[in-house]
Amino acid sequence: GAVVSQHPSRVICKSGTSVKIECRSLDFQATTMFWYRQFPKQSLMLMATSNEGSKATYEQGVEKDKFLINHASLTLSTLTVTSAHPEDSSFYICSAGNLAGEQFFGPGTRLTVL
Amino acid sequence: AQKVTQAQTEISVVEKEDVTLDCVYETRDTTYYLFWYKQPPSGELVFLIRRNSFDEQNEISGRYSWNFQKSTSSFNFTITASQVVDSAVYFCALSESHDYKLSFGAGTTVTVRA
Repeated sequence: GAVVSQHPSRVICKSGTSVKIECRSLDFQATTMFWYRQFPKQSLMLMATSNEGSKATYEQGVEKDKFLINHASLTLSTLTVTSAHPEDSSFYICSAGNLAGEQFFGPGTRLTVL
Repeated sequence: AQKVTQAQTEISVVEKEDVTLDCVYETRDTTYYLFWYKQPPSGELVFLIRRNSFDEQNEISGRYSWNFQKSTSSFNFTITASQVVDSAVYFCALSESHDYKLSFGAGTTVTVRA
C-alpha cells in the first residue's frame, strides 16, 4: 500500500500555544486528505476533508478557526491547532486518498497540551 | 445517525479460540465500501480489508475471514485460532461513493490471553 507519514509523532506543548502537524503522502499524489481525531478509548472521528488548492470542508462541530488546515500540494497537508488547550489533547491521524476512493493512513500524532 | 455499529465493546478469549467481531452498517447508497482496520497499542491503523458493495463473496486471508451479508447489512470478521498478537482494537468502517468519507464504528477491543 501507499506510504503516508506524519510529523511529529508526539508533541507536548503548553496551553495557549499553536501546534502544526504535517501529513505527507510519500509515493503517490493524494487528491484528497482527511484529518481524524481520536480521544482515548474512543473511535476515530473525521474532522475535515481537504482538497489540494481549495479550502477544507469541516465536519459539524469542528471549529475551522481553531483547526487550520492547509493543503498546499498533492503530497502535503498540514493541521494547525491554534491556541491549544488541554481538551485538545488527542491522537490526530491523517489519511491520503486517491481517485479510487482508497485511503491510506499516517501513523498518527499524539498531542498533549499541558 | 450511526452508520456503523459494532455492538461488542470488548471480547476476551484464550489463545487458539476463534473470535467473531460483528459489524452492522447503514447506508442509502447502492455503491459503498466496507473496511476493517486493526489498531494495536502503538496507535497506528493497520488496514485489513476493503470490500465493495457489489462483491458479496466471503474472503479468507490466513487466519482472518470476513462474511459480508447485504441482506442483513452486516460485515462480520472472524479470527481463527487467535494469538496474543491479535490483541488490539478492531474497527469496522463504511465509505459511501458520493464522498468517500470514512465512518468508523466504535471499535471492539480484543484481548487474547495466553
